Amino acid sequence: GAGVSQTPSNKVTEKGKYVELRCDPISGHTALYWYRQSLGQGPEFLIYFQGTGAADDSGLPNDRFFAVRPEGSVSTLKIQRTERGDSAVYLCASSLDSYNEQFFGPGTRLTVL
Amino acid sequence: RKEVEQDPGPFNVPEGATVAFNCTYSNSASQSFFWYRQDCRKEPKLLMSVYSSGNEDGRFTAQLNRASQYISLLIRDSKLSDSATYLCVVNPGSNYKLTFGKGTLLTVNP
Repeated sequence: GAGVSQTPSNKVTEKGKYVELRCDPISGHTALYWYRQSLGQGPEFLIYFQGTGAADDSGLPNDRFFAVRPEGSVSTLKIQRTERGDSAVYLCASSLDSYNEQFFGPGTRLTVL
Repeated sequence: RKEVEQDPGPFNVPEGATVAFNCTYSNSASQSFFWYRQDCRKEPKLLMSVYSSGNEDGRFTAQLNRASQYISLLIRDSKLSDSATYLCVVNPGSNYKLTFGKGTLLTVNP
């Protein structure tokens, strides 16, 4: 079956712009996660959704970052007023529920010029 | 102290070698432990879970020492296809929030 998909695969933007990153989880997975991976680092947790609600957004670095999952399936990570330090690979993962293995998508590589 | 610390690497080994990766974690309340593999410019994928009793999957053996807060991964008879970054991952108490180490790059040479 299809895995987690993310679009776009690459996004180049200018400092100060707004970006949206999309994640399509595996069908039937109720749990969805966003992570951020900077060069030479492991992924860092950003936010976890159980169904439509953000159960834990403690990893979001500041209020420029926001994520939604309005129908409990697709999720969008939104970044306002992008900064060069936001450049990273943004990974989405999903799992059947929070107790099960997380499957990662291929990521969106964000470059802020 | 970082939550999860790994050997800095990189490791360069010949085919057929045995290689061991080490990892320590700071949160003694951590519940579950994993090794993930990440190929260059790809997503991380679960390699194996790590249990207190130790577990083996073919050429791969994982060990956990809760008292020392130490995790290891041993790869025997390494193959070219084992070349990747190996990430030590800890679930610090919640079910969902995975904490990753920086990863250790392994290159297996012909």
